[in-house]
Amino acid sequence: DGGITQSPKYLFRKEGQNVTLSCEQNLNHDAMYWYRQDPGQGLRLIYYSQIVNDFQKGDIAEGYSVSREKKESFPLTVTSAQKNPTAFYLCASSIPWARENTEAFFGQGTRLTVV
Amino acid sequence: EDKVVQSPLSLVVHEGDTVTLNCSYEVTNFRSLLWYKQEKKAPTFLFMLTSSGIEKKSGRLSSILDKKELFSILNITATQTGDSAVYLCAVPRGYAGNMLTFGGGTRLMVKP
Repeated sequence: DGGITQSPKYLFRKEGQNVTLSCEQNLNHDAMYWYRQDPGQGLRLIYYSQIVNDFQKGDIAEGYSVSREKKESFPLTVTSAQKNPTAFYLCASSIPWARENTEAFFGQGTRLTVV
Repeated sequence: EDKVVQSPLSLVVHEGDTVTLNCSYEVTNFRSLLWYKQEKKAPTFLFMLTSSGIEKKSGRLSSILDKKELFSILNITATQTGDSAVYLCAVPRGYAGNMLTFGGGTRLMVKP
């Protein structure tokens, strides 16, 4: 079945460590996105990628990095520079970058906790 | 800067009640407005409203868009405990793609 797979579901990180969250999709979507969700709040855009080998900063990119070497994969690294990384991270994808209106499809998320 | 505001923040009702969730928005270039339901993890898509589709209905759920007053409502009739979730409203920014600006969500709890 087509979909978006995020791993791991739960991740614990010590302060000062970098961690990488995985996001893989088999929907043949060109565009992929990373959002962060804090308790009781909506989602905020971290990074997005319109096409392979291209990505752009979203609203809260500081302390995060991404890569887009393959169409199917858009990993997110949470670096030690991110001051408050404990949150729920959601990856999404959508059809080719175009003017037409389409919805974004979401993965099941990764809950990151700094211990 | 694009902005989406949802109200109420939370709502508790009993099964069978009808609820109305609100979403107001300010965007530079309006293309669409989306409603998602988030139960535990992944938001699942409910509706997309555009200039050419300002009213949508699916079973007990319906939504309308008022482009003049810049708001949308999501109605759920004959609520069930399975409707308990956070409902998110979002608008895409820019001229293409799905960089979404989300509202803070409305948490709905339906009691038996």
